[in-house]
Amino acid sequence: KAGVTQTPRYLIKTRGQQVTLSCSPISGHRSVSWYQQTPGQGLQFLFEYFSETQRNKGNFPGRFSGRQFSNSRSEMNVSTLELGDSALYLCASISGQGDYDTQYFGPGTRLTVL
Amino acid sequence: QKEVEQNSGPLSVPEGAIASLNCTYSDRVSQSFFWYRQYSGKSPELIMSIYSNGDKEDGRFTAQLNKASQYVSLLIRDSQPSDSATYLCAVRRGGSYIPTFGRGTSLIVHP
Repeated sequence: KAGVTQTPRYLIKTRGQQVTLSCSPISGHRSVSWYQQTPGQGLQFLFEYFSETQRNKGNFPGRFSGRQFSNSRSEMNVSTLELGDSALYLCASISGQGDYDTQYFGPGTRLTVL
Repeated sequence: QKEVEQNSGPLSVPEGAIASLNCTYSDRVSQSFFWYRQYSGKSPELIMSIYSNGDKEDGRFTAQLNKASQYVSLLIRDSQPSDSATYLCAVRRGGSYIPTFGRGTSLIVHP
């Protein structure tokens, strides 16, 4: 099976701009989660989607949003970018095995905000 | 209060030695436990998952879980320089879809 794919791999934006990141989960997986990783804060949970519905949400401002499509692909959007949004954004594909659910991470998108 | 705690390290071990990485958690209803390896500049890669008390072995890796003491550990036997990475512990409570991650322990294996 192909792994999790994320596009683009690298992005450079300026403050105030917006950005959209894309994630395609492992074939057959219906749930994806998004994380922000920075050296100072570690891995922080953004949100999780299952069957096009946001099932869980982390503690991030409304500038961070996401959605999931019927083919399980997911996008996240960050509006009005701030310098502090510079981070590695990770998408994880969730295996959907109930108590044995496992997250498999994609390669990530490295976002730099200037 | 942090929910999943790991010593940030770095933990430095010589090649061929056993590296022992530890993780403690505060949520007593945690049911699923995971270890991920993350190389610098890369994304986390799942090494092992463990759900029951005791040991689980996979090649050079052994995960140990003690729910009564609320800790999970990862042993790496015959450590190699290629094992040098940050190791993330993740814990998920029963009924939750999302695990909580520790900040990770940096491991350095020197020749």
